[in-house]
Amino acid sequence: GESVGLHLPTLSVQEGDNSIINCAYSNSASDYFIWYKQESGKGPQFIIDIRSNMDKRQGQRVTVLLNKTVKHLSLQIAATQPGDSAVYFCAESRTGNQFYFGTGTSLTVIP
Amino acid sequence: DAGVIQSPRHEVTEMGQEVTLRCKPISGHDYLFWYRQTMMRGLELLIYFNNNVPIDDSGMPEDRFSAKMPNASFSTLKIQPSEPRDSAVYFCASSRVGRRSGANVLTFGAGSRLTVL
Repeated sequence: GESVGLHLPTLSVQEGDNSIINCAYSNSASDYFIWYKQESGKGPQFIIDIRSNMDKRQGQRVTVLLNKTVKHLSLQIAATQPGDSAVYFCAESRTGNQFYFGTGTSLTVIP
Repeated sequence: DAGVIQSPRHEVTEMGQEVTLRCKPISGHDYLFWYRQTMMRGLELLIYFNNNVPIDDSGMPEDRFSAKMPNASFSTLKIQPSEPRDSAVYFCASSRVGRRSGANVLTFGAGSRLTVL
């Protein structure tokens, strides 16, 4: 049969608007989460992390929200810029050593 | 620091040939990870090392794949013999346990794009 690639969710936003990227994680025992950004032709790059004893953490222009009840993670990017265009991955870990990555969301910023 | 250095950046080879991918982790990092990225499966953890010792290789697809870390500054991922379905981008990442978080923040290399014809 025909092979099918991953369906990568996509998000398009106007420059200057806020972006929200969502991620559902699978393991309720996961206690540490990281958001990574991957630009074309590069490796994933760390953006922000959060532990399971927190529900919100803020960085520079980015905020991560964690809802353990529904196993949901979101990344908010304020005042999105063209340089934010990339694929964003959430990663979960239970041991703190092994990380398992989601399928990613492709963000396109329209100038 | 130059970051995690991988080589080659691109490799095109024919089915049946041996492929060796190389990684130099960040100095001082005691964990090293090999990931594979494909459109079909996304980012998959293949194997990781702690202090040069393989800890978990359950993600290695099959016996054709092997990884070594002879010292703290070098690791290889070898595929022998290679097959077209091995075509992917292979990432190496290194880390050390953060004092604050107690967890590892991975720093990735730029990847090695492998095409097996």
